Amino acid sequence: EPEVTQTPSHQVTQMGQEVILRCVPISNHLYFYWYRQILGQKVEFLVSFYNNEISEKSEIFDDQFSVERPDGSNFTLKIRSTKLEDSAMYFCASSLGGRGDTQYFGPGTRLTVL
Amino acid sequence: GQNIDQPTEMTATEGAIVQINCTYQTSGFNGLFWYQQHAGEAPTFLSYNVLDGLEEKGRFSSFLSRSKGYSYLLLKELQMKDSASYLCAANYGNNRLAFGKGNQVVVIP
Repeated sequence: EPEVTQTPSHQVTQMGQEVILRCVPISNHLYFYWYRQILGQKVEFLVSFYNNEISEKSEIFDDQFSVERPDGSNFTLKIRSTKLEDSAMYFCASSLGGRGDTQYFGPGTRLTVL
Repeated sequence: GQNIDQPTEMTATEGAIVQINCTYQTSGFNGLFWYQQHAGEAPTFLSYNVLDGLEEKGRFSSFLSRSKGYSYLLLKELQMKDSASYLCAANYGNNRLAFGKGNQVVVIP
């Protein structure tokens, strides 16, 4: 069964450093998402992406964040200058269609900012 | 943002039935998803309701009332492997999911 994959599984970085989290969505899916989950808290929407552009973003997704689909398979989340409060599990998800279509989540990247 | 309310924790014995409730804001609502999340893992899809009524999938059923902004997930014949957090996620806008905090279900022998 096709799955969303994410790399790395764990990332430790120093405050102020840039990180890039990588995702390979399910191959025939057209819509891509990033969510995050701070330890012990709820899953929060960051951004959705379709047709090579952002379709929606939350207030969390400020200028420090960017997303890119650099080729036909990868979908990345970049955090330009990490802060302590960016420490969280970051989940990538994809769906075949848009509104109302099921989103399938990857295993997550645990980001720790020191 | 859209506030999604869920109770936080419940304990039940193997073979029992549990119901997990969720309320959500109805403005801009598209549909309601339920996900299961084991500790440290990704949410996995359980069910989706867009119309009022009950959707049954094996041991799991989910109900939606759009007018009341209310859903529940029913877990029947509980098994030890069902110990997990159950997340209610309301769909808004261009397929944005707003999650509740999750309800931790602990299944005991």
